[in-house]
Amino acid sequence: SQTIHQWPATLVQPVGSPLSLECTVEGTSNPNLYWYRQAAGRGLQLLFYSVGIGQISSEVPQNLSASRPQDRQFILSSKKLLLSDSGFYLCACRGRGYTEAFFGQGTRLTVV
Amino acid sequence: AQSVTQLDSQVPVFEEAPVELRCNYSSSVSVYLFWYVQYPNQGLQLLLKYLSGSTLVKGINGFEAEFNKSQTSFHLRKPSVHISDTAEYFCAVSPPEGAQKLVFGQGTRLTINP
Repeated sequence: SQTIHQWPATLVQPVGSPLSLECTVEGTSNPNLYWYRQAAGRGLQLLFYSVGIGQISSEVPQNLSASRPQDRQFILSSKKLLLSDSGFYLCACRGRGYTEAFFGQGTRLTVV
Repeated sequence: AQSVTQLDSQVPVFEEAPVELRCNYSSSVSVYLFWYVQYPNQGLQLLLKYLSGSTLVKGINGFEAEFNKSQTSFHLRKPSVHISDTAEYFCAVSPPEGAQKLVFGQGTRLTINP
């Protein structure tokens, strides 16, 4: 089965600092990869998804960007964090031949 | 485009009572439907899924859900809940094979009281 590794588990960053969250996947190849953000009381918001290396689709205009430099690596970045970027970030993977997505354990980001 | 509405943001229930968490979806094409559970500060875990066939699907931890195409609903049920079922539950929809997006509802927080 697929295993999704996300790190770090928690992160406190000052406003204006850069961000890099990494997600790596095991147990599948050429998966669809997703970044979601979960803000308190707002459910899961799809931020980016990728169907292959270098292919990124953005769902909402925002202060964040995503990259997929390798087949099983998905990175979420920001050049300058805003207070509104605080939240719980989840990486998900939907392997070829699978109908459901598998999730990492998430990163709780607090921007101060 | 698909969308999901979870009609209750919070559902308090007494232990051993039955529970139903409601989910309605909107789509112009056929869809796959999912229910996920999230325990505090963790990722999401799949409870069950509907792809096709029988409209009643059974999942883990004693949960089941019924797909109703005419009402575009996929409500989650459990006949008798336990304290350990306290969590947030998410309904999700995606187009069938070949498409990419998995769209979630806003979530329902289930609280089990002793």
